[in-house]
Parts: sequence; structure tokens; C-alpha cells
Amino acid sequence: QSALTQPASVSGSPGQSITISCTGTSSDVGSYNLVSWYQQHPGKAPKLMIFDGSKRPSGVSARFSGSKSGNTASLTISGLQAEDEADYYCCSYAGSNTFEVFGTGTKVTVL
Amino acid sequence: QVQLQQSGPGLVKPSQTLSLTCAISGDSVSSNTAAWNWIRQSPSRGLEWLGRTYYRSTWSNDYAVSVRGRMTINPDTSKNQFSLQLNSVTPEDTAVYYCARDWGYESFDTWGQGTMVTVSS
Repeated sequence: QSALTQPASVSGSPGQSITISCTGTSSDVGSYNLVSWYQQHPGKAPKLMIFDGSKRPSGVSARFSGSKSGNTASLTISGLQAEDEADYYCCSYAGSNTFEVFGTGTKVTVL
Repeated sequence: QVQLQQSGPGLVKPSQTLSLTCAISGDSVSSNTAAWNWIRQSPSRGLEWLGRTYYRSTWSNDYAVSVRGRMTINPDTSKNQFSLQLNSVTPEDTAVYYCARDWGYESFDTWGQGTMVTVSS
């Protein structure tokens, strides 16, 4: 099972919106609405930002939103802030043999 | 508030067994809704889900294809923790290992602090 494909890097200026894509296949992203997104700062454990494709856990800013179209999921960060600079990973359920597959990761830079 | 505390050696020799433990506070390893996972991260492989254990009237384990046959995850109800054993390690198994809770939505809401494990003689 290959990793989900994400762009290596995305950048934006403070206040702007950016979108990170996560492309899978009909065996994972395309078949299940079970995509999650994680934010990871250097030296820290990942933090859950989105689950079930578009839901935010309690305490996560509404500036973070998720969506899906076909085999591609997306994470949008609106009103970009300096603290959003981090690595972001998607993850999808991939059925009862593979179970979970992560994305390749995207480094977000706030200019 | 759920917390996960990892413990275990940071250096393992090739061909030996990597063993890590994750102690749970604020939840139960026997929860009927949660699943208890191991995930690793390395520059070459990125984030990689390894496996999980969970209780739904009986205990079950699932493992990633890449480690199936080499990995065992065991719950310890007496200590409210779970463990990872990875046999026959090679330098490719060098990574930061995390334990994590799946809170019932096929996503990981709580993570341990991570353990850097190096496989080297």
C-alpha cells in the first residue's frame, strides 16, 4: 500500500488561505469518509486537526477545514498565522487488510 | 484528559527485539470504543501505522502488512498499558515510535511523547 500523495510544501502570507491536497485511490480516500489530518511541529508528536474528513475536534480552530472530492481530500487553513507553520499529514482508513495509510506530508511555510 | 506515557530502550542491536510500552491514564486499555495503536516515523518512510489492539467483548489485533509476522501488540489490563514487540530488527526499523489512541473515529486524538529507537550494533 503506497502512501497518500501530498505536495512537499505549501506557503502563504499571514491572513491568506492555503489548501493542502491528499491524493489516494479508490481503495482508501475514495471509498471511505475516514480521512484525518494532523499538524506536527518540529520535535513534537502529531496533533489531530480534522477527522471524518471534515470534523474538528474540540479545541481546534475553525480556521481549519477539511473536504473530499473523489480520491482527493483537502485541508484548508484560512487566515494563516505564524503558528500554523508546521508539517501536515493526512491519513485514511484503507480497508480491513491495510487499515491505515498516511500521506507523504506537507511543510507549510508562513512567509 | 487522556495521556499516554511511553517507555523503552532507545538502542537495539540488529536481529534483536525492539520492545516498547505505553502506559495509559484517563482511559482504559479495555475500552469498548477506543483502539490502541503504534505508529512510527522516519525520514525515509514518513509516518507509518504499524498496528493496534482493541477490546470489543474479546481482544483483537491488526497489523500493517509491512510488519505482519514480526510484530506483536499486547494489552496489559493489570497495569492499564499496552506494548509493542518487533522481532528481527534491521537498521530500516530505526525511527521515532509513537503510541496513539484511536478514539473511535479511525483517527488518533492522543499521542505519546515518542521514542527515538536506533537499530545499530
